[in-house]
Amino acid sequence: DTAVSQTPKYLVTQMGNDKSIKCEQNLGHDTMYWYKQDSKKFLKIMFSYNNKELIINETVPNRFSPKSPDKAHLNLHINSLELGDSAVYFCASSRALAGWDQETQYFGPGTRLLVL
Amino acid sequence: GEDVEQSLFLSVREGDSSVINCTYTDSSSTYLYWYKQEPGAGLQLLTYIFSNMDMKQDQRLTVLLNKKDKHLSLRIADTQTGDSAIYFCADPAGGNMLTFGGGTRLMVKP
Repeated sequence: DTAVSQTPKYLVTQMGNDKSIKCEQNLGHDTMYWYKQDSKKFLKIMFSYNNKELIINETVPNRFSPKSPDKAHLNLHINSLELGDSAVYFCASSRALAGWDQETQYFGPGTRLLVL
Repeated sequence: GEDVEQSLFLSVREGDSSVINCTYTDSSSTYLYWYKQEPGAGLQLLTYIFSNMDMKQDQRLTVLLNKKDKHLSLRIADTQTGDSAIYFCADPAGGNMLTFGGGTRLMVKP
């Protein structure tokens, strides 16, 4: 009965590779997000999708491409991985988007990416 | 842009109260949030406060909001070792993106 799930939980890969992280929510939410947490535990928004449409792209390199096949899924594809991409990536979802800042976001467990 | 700041570290003894502080710059949000991250785990919504409230109590948790000073605090009464975690305050800054503080690491000593 996991609300927001991510796979894989851990991902170790070589520089230059392409990898994907998957996220699924079973809450019936319309909006999904990707956040990056760096080694200092700072959390920053990367993308926001509402009803499968990209809403927010916060100065993220083009190597990062989110894909939303349906409202319940938001996958993150990363091309040409770099050392600096090593971080924990969190997916989140909320019921609604613009103007609804009171809509609580629920987070997945995180995917720990290590680029060697 | 929005700036949310927290002290980095707090150490208390088991049974004492913990107070984690947060300051923010954008006061347009309807809600402000506290998230908890246990070691090696994801973010868990701990509590939130509606911006027209000064205080919200939820069992051992008390959230205080001073809108004038843009100051938010989380008080944990009777702190237990299981409360050891990183606590993030988060402000939607009037929109839908959460801006997080840097997180406060709470260490509870037996």
